[in-house]
Amino acid sequence: GAVVSQHPSWVICKSGTSVKIECRSLDFQATTMFWYRQFPKQSLMLMATSNEGSKATYEQGVEKDKFLINHASLTLSTLTVTSAHPEDSSFYICTPPKDLAGDNEQYFGPGTRLTVT
Amino acid sequence: QKEVEQNSGPLSVPEGAIASLNCTYSDRGSQSFFWYRQYSGKSPELIMSIYSNGDKEDGRFTAQLNKASQYVSLLIRDSQPSDSATYLCAVNRPPGENTPLVFGKGTRLSVIA
Repeated sequence: GAVVSQHPSWVICKSGTSVKIECRSLDFQATTMFWYRQFPKQSLMLMATSNEGSKATYEQGVEKDKFLINHASLTLSTLTVTSAHPEDSSFYICTPPKDLAGDNEQYFGPGTRLTVT
Repeated sequence: QKEVEQNSGPLSVPEGAIASLNCTYSDRGSQSFFWYRQYSGKSPELIMSIYSNGDKEDGRFTAQLNKASQYVSLLIRDSQPSDSATYLCAVNRPPGENTPLVFGKGTRLSVIA
């Protein structure tokens, strides 16, 4: 349970452009989604929490105007990296709270690898 | 500062041996504890979860939790070369149980054939 898909799975973009990452819930209604990122050779860090129908909450140090999160429906949350720079190159992963999984376990989806050149 | 600490390794064990991975956490309010395995370039894969003090066994894996000592461990018996990966310890961020996770930096395990 609580299967999510992300699209694209990997993307390369040029510095200064924007990239949208989609996170779709396939077998549950995602009222909340957590967005993490993982820089090369580092661990996962929570970026923000999106909630359907309300504004996302961002972690300290994460620029909300740069990382636009929109939780448009119960099956779709999106992260848009605006004016991307090479330092934004990272692995971005969305995941729902574990109580949305049928077995109450915390799984992670496939993630999106972003490379900014 | 809520932190999860792990020895970064690398931890090298011979094939067939027991690998012991350790983790400490700072926030006593954490209620959910997880071990993930992550291969290079891949998303973390859930290995074990544990919520109460004591041991929890699943196949070759045993998770141990000691809330008084704020300590979580993972034992891997009969280690295989395919177990070579980075192991991430994660604990939930209080309050509550269904909250985001705080991750350690991971321990790289190398199982030598």
